[in-house]
Amino acid sequence: KQEVTQIPAALSVPEGENLVLNCSFTDSAIYNLQWFRQDPGKGLTSLLLIQSSQREQTSGRLNASLDKSSGRSTLYIAASQPGDSATYLCAAPDPNAGNMLTFGGGTRLMVKP
Amino acid sequence: DTGVSQDPRHKITKRGQNVTFRCDPISEHNRLYWYRQTLGQGPEFLTYFQNEAQLEKSRLLSDRFSAERPKGSFSTLEIQRTEQGDSAMYLCASSLRSSSVSYNEQFFGPGTRLTVL
Repeated sequence: KQEVTQIPAALSVPEGENLVLNCSFTDSAIYNLQWFRQDPGKGLTSLLLIQSSQREQTSGRLNASLDKSSGRSTLYIAASQPGDSATYLCAAPDPNAGNMLTFGGGTRLMVKP
Repeated sequence: DTGVSQDPRHKITKRGQNVTFRCDPISEHNRLYWYRQTLGQGPEFLTYFQNEAQLEKSRLLSDRFSAERPKGSFSTLEIQRTEQGDSAMYLCASSLRSSSVSYNEQFFGPGTRLTVL
């Protein structure tokens, strides 16, 4: 059974810092991994999806990497802004169960102005 | 708006009442998923449909829960005899699965927040 862990659980940084959010998964037989953003009381917004054939995926100031062999993914946020404050979730699909997603507990990010 | 929509956005009910939630997926998506999220946790899978067929159910989905997707379009999730432990955010997601699309990116709706008093 897939297990996904995210560290740190919470992170507070001053505006402008570059930061790294970590995600680890136990079953490396995945063919993609998805990163989401969730604002308080809201649904999930898909940020990036990395296929297993890719090592990195970029969108604006966000860069996600995937290392299947070590069971790790990282989300890099460059030049953080107060508007980046949210919870960031990573999720891995289970191809034996309709690609249902197993989520980590999330990293709650606060960027202080 | 062509994203996933959910209705209602908020529901407050008394213990023992029945509630029903609706999800409208992105129109061309053939897969629809339901997840539940409690405060401070990541979402947990409940069930999913491919077209109108319900293909997988989590052990979290007790016999008080039932989900349908009668015409392979919108879906409903019903909870009977609600309990305080059912209080959570119920999230719906959809994706496209075909022979030419394998990466199954899931798109989520805004969720329905249920409070059971």
